[in-house]
Amino acid sequence: EDQVTQSPEALRLQEGESSSLNCSYTVSGLRGLFWYRQDPGKGPEFLFTLYSAGEEKEKERLKATLTKKESFLHITAPKPEDSATYLCAVQVRSNDYKLSFGAGTTVTVRA
Amino acid sequence: DAGVIQSPRHEVTEMGQEVTLRCKPISGHDYLFWYRQTMMRGLELLIYFNNNVPIDDSGMPEDRFSAKMPNASFSTLKIQPSEPRDSAVYFCASSYSGLQAFFGQGTRLTVV
Repeated sequence: EDQVTQSPEALRLQEGESSSLNCSYTVSGLRGLFWYRQDPGKGPEFLFTLYSAGEEKEKERLKATLTKKESFLHITAPKPEDSATYLCAVQVRSNDYKLSFGAGTTVTVRA
Repeated sequence: DAGVIQSPRHEVTEMGQEVTLRCKPISGHDYLFWYRQTMMRGLELLIYFNNNVPIDDSGMPEDRFSAKMPNASFSTLKIQPSEPRDSAVYFCASSYSGLQAFFGQGTRLTVV
């Protein structure tokens, strides 16, 4: 069975304190790995798609990387506005285009 | 584009009543997804459509749930009869060619 596991469940950071979130996956064949950001009371907001091991994507203070077993979302010098829940999801070749989500990591950045 | 539009934003209903959630996808998108989010189970796919045709409904919890997509710009998710355990946030999302999905703001359903 396809599994997506995110860690840690929660992360509290001081403003400027860089850190990384992990998304490990066990799937029969990866079509793509997606990162989303979700703010309270809102729908998930797309951040990145990664398709192959070694691929990296960057957006402002966020950088996503992918290996054959896991993905990392690095937050560099975070600001309070980076506080959110970050969700990882996979598309599996055999399952067509649906997304299977992890439970998420809730990041809180204190000023 | 205004993004994916869902209505209502909040719905409170009594057990046994019929509930209909509505979604307008982004114009030009050919995939539409219905997800449910709870604290216990996270985000779960219920059903998805490609070009208005249901492709995978294996996530629909039981026969009380049904979804339709009569045209490219409208979809509904219906629960009849509703039960307290259906309380959750329901999201609609759309994508072009199965690429990144864009989510609506969700409908928070409370069944009392």
